[in-house]
Amino acid sequence: GQQLNQSPQSMFIQEGEDVSMNCTSSSIFNTWLWYKQDPGEGPVLLIALYKAGELTSNGRLTAQFGITRKDSFLNISASIPSDVGIYFCAGQLASGSRLTFGEGTQLTVNP
Amino acid sequence: DVKVTQSSRYLVKRTGEKVFLECVQDMDHENMFWYRQDPGLGLRLIYFSYDVKMKEKGDIPEGYSVSREKKERFSLILESASTNQTSMYLCASSPQHRGGYGYTFGSGTRLTVV
Repeated sequence: GQQLNQSPQSMFIQEGEDVSMNCTSSSIFNTWLWYKQDPGEGPVLLIALYKAGELTSNGRLTAQFGITRKDSFLNISASIPSDVGIYFCAGQLASGSRLTFGEGTQLTVNP
Repeated sequence: DVKVTQSSRYLVKRTGEKVFLECVQDMDHENMFWYRQDPGLGLRLIYFSYDVKMKEKGDIPEGYSVSREKKERFSLILESASTNQTSMYLCASSPQHRGGYGYTFGSGTRLTVV
């Protein structure tokens, strides 16, 4: 199947720092999504992006859909301890089609 | 509160056992999915279903089968469990035409095969 390369694989930061992670693909996607998985839970949707070049914010989170349709990034500003978890990017070709997930970024925030 | 419920949070099974992982959703969703999650590999799709009695292979179907006899229930079956099937298993559902942003995940079943 298609591959999504997500980086970094893990991050250890201090509370208050900004965080950036990204996802690249060898193929085009028409929708990019970012999920967060809290310890012991399933992933929950954070942000969805539907247009190339789109920049979307959700509180302290900002995500962008790359112009080439082959990449996306997620920024978290002023991190707090509850930001700890695994962040996944996901790409989708068409509405209703299956998602392809990245490998995940494990985020640790030190108080 | 709408949700996807996986029957067990933790399971320990012996090599060669037949294992059933159950998933039930109460949102009347058409689509249901089974993923396995391994460190550094992300979420990999095992099987999915777009309707009752329908099933499609995902990226890693070998060693697994599924059953969807009712719309709300999607079962993952390990015909003969092996140690390399030790993993976290996640079930998800979505409405037919809402795609990725309609995915709702269960809390996962951590399976250990000894």
